[in-house]
Amino acid sequence: EPEVTQTPSHQVTQMGQEVILRCVPISNHLYFYWYRQILGQKVEFLVSFYNNEISEKSEIFDDQFSVERPDGSNFTLKIRSTKLEDSAMYFCASSDLGGFRETQYFGPGTRLLVL
Amino acid sequence: GEDVEQSLFLSVREGDSSVINCTYTDSSSTYLYWYKQEPGAGLQLLTYIFSNMDMKQDQRLTVLLNKKDKHLSLRIADTQTGDSAIYFCAERGDSSYKLIFGSGTRLLVRP
Repeated sequence: EPEVTQTPSHQVTQMGQEVILRCVPISNHLYFYWYRQILGQKVEFLVSFYNNEISEKSEIFDDQFSVERPDGSNFTLKIRSTKLEDSAMYFCASSDLGGFRETQYFGPGTRLLVL
Repeated sequence: GEDVEQSLFLSVREGDSSVINCTYTDSSSTYLYWYKQEPGAGLQLLTYIFSNMDMKQDQRLTVLLNKKDKHLSLRIADTQTGDSAIYFCAERGDSSYKLIFGSGTRLLVRP
C-alpha cells in the first residue's frame, strides 16, 4: 500500500541553525501538508500546498518557515533559523482530491530537537 | 475559534467494546476523521464520516455523529491488545483543508 515517507526520522540541531525536513508524498497525490505536534500538545496545522503554491497557512507558519516541491516527488519544510520552541514532531501529509472526499494520509513524522 | 475535545484516557478489557468520544465546536464542520497513532509511528487514518451522515460502519469500527450536539464517537467492537494506541478525532470545515485535531485519547486494552 502506498504511503507517505519522511526523512530524517530524528534531527537534532543547534538554535539558529537551518533545518530541512523532507517528505515523499503518495505518488498520485496533489495536495500536501505540514503539521506539527509539540510534546504534550495537540497536532497543529502549519501549511497546505497545491499546484506549486501555498494554499493556506496558520499563524505559526511565519517568515522562518518555507515549503518547496523541488522535484516531482519531494516536498520539503525549511526552518530558516531554529528556535527552542520549534522542537516538535513534524508530520507531512498528502491527499489526492480536494473538497469532497478529501482525506489526508500522514507520514511517520520527523522528531526535531533544537538545543 | 474551532476546538476539538476528547477525554484523555480509556481502559478496557480485551474482547469488550471501546467507545471513544469527541466534541467539536465548529458548526460548519463538514468532514470528521479518526486517526490512530501507535508508539513511534505516524497518524494512521482509520475512518471518516461526512456531516450529512449519522453513522458509518467499517468492520469492527462504528462511527456515530450527532450533528446537533456536535458529538462524534468511535466504537471499536471486540477490542484487541493491538488496538492499544492514541486515537485522534479531527474535523475540517468546507472552506479549508486544515484539520483541527483533538488532544487524543489513549486507549489501553488489558488482557
